[in-house]
Amino acid sequence: DAKTTQPNSMESNEEEPVHLPCNHSTISGTDYIHWYRQLPSQGPEYVIHGLTSNVNNRMASLAIAEDRKSSTLILHRATLRDAAVYYCILRDPLQGAQKLVFGQGTRLTINP
Amino acid sequence: KAGVTQTPRYLIKTRGQQVTLSCSPISGHRSVSWYQQTPGQGLQFLFEYFSETQRNKGNFPGRFSGRQFSNSRSEMNVSTLELGDSALYLCASSRPDDRGLNEKLFFGSGTQLSVL
Repeated sequence: DAKTTQPNSMESNEEEPVHLPCNHSTISGTDYIHWYRQLPSQGPEYVIHGLTSNVNNRMASLAIAEDRKSSTLILHRATLRDAAVYYCILRDPLQGAQKLVFGQGTRLTINP
Repeated sequence: KAGVTQTPRYLIKTRGQQVTLSCSPISGHRSVSWYQQTPGQGLQFLFEYFSETQRNKGNFPGRFSGRQFSNSRSEMNVSTLELGDSALYLCASSRPDDRGLNEKLFFGSGTQLSVL
């Protein structure tokens, strides 16, 4: 499974944008980039995914580098509820529908 | 719409015992998978079921097993419990998107198992 590299932790202030980076230099052409987050005492929660183009949804935006070797999850206006561990995951849809390979993720702290 | 329901929420067992954990997926979801989460190893994939058939398995010993019923509900069983089996066990369900790819996984809150 292709691997991702994320910073162990990041800190930001409430109502400010947050940019969470992810490196995936060994990404293959069929790998999608998925982001999940895990709030305290809960299971992971889907955030967003993309292949090549930047993606937006109500939760966040995903910016994918042109060479696809890195991506950035953008929270446009962080709230205290966004404090969580964020996981960047590469997923080949042809290699097992539900098998996600989680790394250690980035623990995001939001200051009031 | 109800989310993924896992029972029990907490469980305490002793070494050598066996345990069964239950998962009810979101209505309409036919795929169910199980994950183990520990502070040391993080989240690790255990196995995946679709239409009562196991279609993918992680790297865990045979003491870990599972099954899925015709109503898509799933159970996982751990026999001969060891101290290292203490973990949060998470269940996830999904249904294929329009192309049958890239399903979003919906996770339950997990069962916290403590082995003494």
